Amino acid sequence: NAGVTQTPKFRILKIGQSMTLQCTQDMNHNYMYWYRQDPGMGLKLIYYSVGAGITDKGEVPNGYNVSRSTTEDFPLRLELAAPSQTSVYFCASRVDSNQPQHFGDGTRLSIL
Amino acid sequence: KQEVTQIPAALSVPEGENLVLNCSFTDSAIYNLQWFRQDPGKGLTSLLLIQSSQREQTSGRLNASLDKSSGRSTLYIAASQPGDSATYLCAVRGTGANNLFFGTGTRLTVIP
Repeated sequence: NAGVTQTPKFRILKIGQSMTLQCTQDMNHNYMYWYRQDPGMGLKLIYYSVGAGITDKGEVPNGYNVSRSTTEDFPLRLELAAPSQTSVYFCASRVDSNQPQHFGDGTRLSIL
Repeated sequence: KQEVTQIPAALSVPEGENLVLNCSFTDSAIYNLQWFRQDPGKGLTSLLLIQSSQREQTSGRLNASLDKSSGRSTLYIAASQPGDSATYLCAVRGTGANNLFFGTGTRLTVIP
């Protein structure tokens, strides 16, 4: 029972590089979310999706892009990595708005 | 904008004690409130979800209450154990919003 799977677990990037954080869930959940967690701060929503082909911005979307071509996958793309994007990134999903969110184990990203 | 506050930021208790964690939010127009547990280097695990029409939810040694009018929720942990050591986060979902607003968490240490 995999749940929400995020890859990679750790990554170091140089300023200006690009990368994609992968997120996949095997629970057939419609809703998927990307958050970032900075030290001493609460989680902030980056982007979310209510179903395949539908995405929308959250609280802190600048510098990121997403796509949702399938129900299972919700990748997060960083085009030009900046030091301010050093953070822990969490992907989450839920079946509908009345149910709890299920989280992956996170991707720890450092940009130097 | 919804603001979620958790006090204290850290708490140490001896094993066996009952304890209460606090969460307050500024906008009482919420859809639901969720309590999570986060272990170091891990993602979030959902503990309890309380709908806005409910007053409390219970799961094992955990009991969460919600007073929407005063903007408060508490998580009660009975007979604490060292395995309860973790960071506990609360998050609220506003009506009409599709994301969660997180507090910064309370780091709990249960001393054997």
